[in-house]
Amino acid sequence: GEDVEQSLFLSVREGDSSVINCTYTDSSSTYLYWYKQEPGAGLQLLTYIFSNMDMKQDQRLTVLLNKKDKHLSLRIADTQTGDSAIYFCAESPTSGTYKYIFGTGTRLKVLA
Amino acid sequence: DTAVSQTPKYLVTQMGNDKSIKCEQNLGHDTMYWYKQDSKKFLKIMFSYNNKELIINETVPNRFSPKSPDKAHLNLHINSLELGDSAVYFCASSQTGSGYTFGSGTRLTVV
Repeated sequence: GEDVEQSLFLSVREGDSSVINCTYTDSSSTYLYWYKQEPGAGLQLLTYIFSNMDMKQDQRLTVLLNKKDKHLSLRIADTQTGDSAIYFCAESPTSGTYKYIFGTGTRLKVLA
Repeated sequence: DTAVSQTPKYLVTQMGNDKSIKCEQNLGHDTMYWYKQDSKKFLKIMFSYNNKELIINETVPNRFSPKSPDKAHLNLHINSLELGDSAVYFCASSQTGSGYTFGSGTRLTVV
């Protein structure tokens, strides 16, 4: 199937780290992405990782990729209230159809 | 300058009406998309065009018809609107390997 699974909710305290997990399905996916959606807005690309990498760091964001388990995670260090949003992972299958498969979304709530 | 712009932002209409949503991108991307986001925030692709050619057409009712007059524009026309069409519709564009750039969405409410 084409289901990309994420847990629906995550709540953390301001200043703590957040870890958002994603399980994808297509082991041949070339790129895996993380998007952020704030209320009433479109999706904003946060970061991506190429499938031959197992880690990528970008300021407060760390992406970990476990290809064997088809597991992707996004760690946000020093989480702020402005990080409250829905986070989507997405996979880009190598079938050449340009179609990204988005996860179900994780709603992150940061408590002050 | 907005990279991917959609109009209108909000659309409230009665069942049975026909409506259009417009999308324009100024990024020079070759590929454009329409996605539907339902009330549970689930995102599902509807259509994709590459250089004005339809390349993805998911299982979408025939009442939905995309039109791409040039590679910078992708419009969505919906005939005979139904209550179940209520959702947020997102336009996006991409270049190979670059990730999508999304518009801010059109919230369609059918009453």
